[in-house]
Amino acid sequence: QSVLTQPPSASGTPGQRVTISCSGSSSNIGSNAVNWYQQLPGTAPKFLMYNNNQRPSGVPDRFSGSKSGTSASLAISGLQSEDEADYYCAAWDDSLNGVVFGGGTKLTVL
Amino acid sequence: EVQLVESGGGLVQPGGSLRLSCTASGFTFSNYAMNWVRQAPGKGLEWVSSFSSSGTNTYYADSVKGRFTMSRDNSKNTLSLQMNSLRAEDTAVYYCAKDSGRVIPTARFDFWGLGTLVTVSS
Repeated sequence: QSVLTQPPSASGTPGQRVTISCSGSSSNIGSNAVNWYQQLPGTAPKFLMYNNNQRPSGVPDRFSGSKSGTSASLAISGLQSEDEADYYCAAWDDSLNGVVFGGGTKLTVL
Repeated sequence: EVQLVESGGGLVQPGGSLRLSCTASGFTFSNYAMNWVRQAPGKGLEWVSSFSSSGTNTYYADSVKGRFTMSRDNSKNTLSLQMNSLRAEDTAVYYCAKDSGRVIPTARFDFWGLGTLVTVSS
């Protein structure tokens, strides 16, 4: 059972916009920034989004992030086949004094 | 170019020990916090431990506290994870991850190694 809650799966067709949610509590998302990671099949995770809505260099602007209260979301617009991957949210947790991850969302491009 | 290369994984019996290493290059190692993250087969990511840039502060997940010890050698650009009293549930790919935080750990892991597989089984 992960501290941050994500839907286990999401899907969309090419060109569509999909959103992945991440729900936490006051000790993590409510008081710290949310970060997102993309893990393509068989590879190491990749830094996708930081400080709720900032994209690292090289990440397409099709990816966007937001946070409100104790929830955050990752949106992917103009969905492409290469976006098919697992997506994880993460945040520092002040109560646990450590990093917490969501359980991951498997995105399927139909 | 930032590179993180993990080593030391393998097969170990329950109750045994293993030491993982991560060799870093392409950035000023001593300026950044470092982390270990693991992923059990077919499962999600689980944070294991974090180390401040100076080595003064360490943080551990409850699941490994008291069994795992993280260390770093800033003179050799090396991060280590000493794992004792290993259990079957510690079986996972262990990733070394650079923190974008300069002093204290954050949840911003901007570079990852390829990982090393640890299998705990009799």
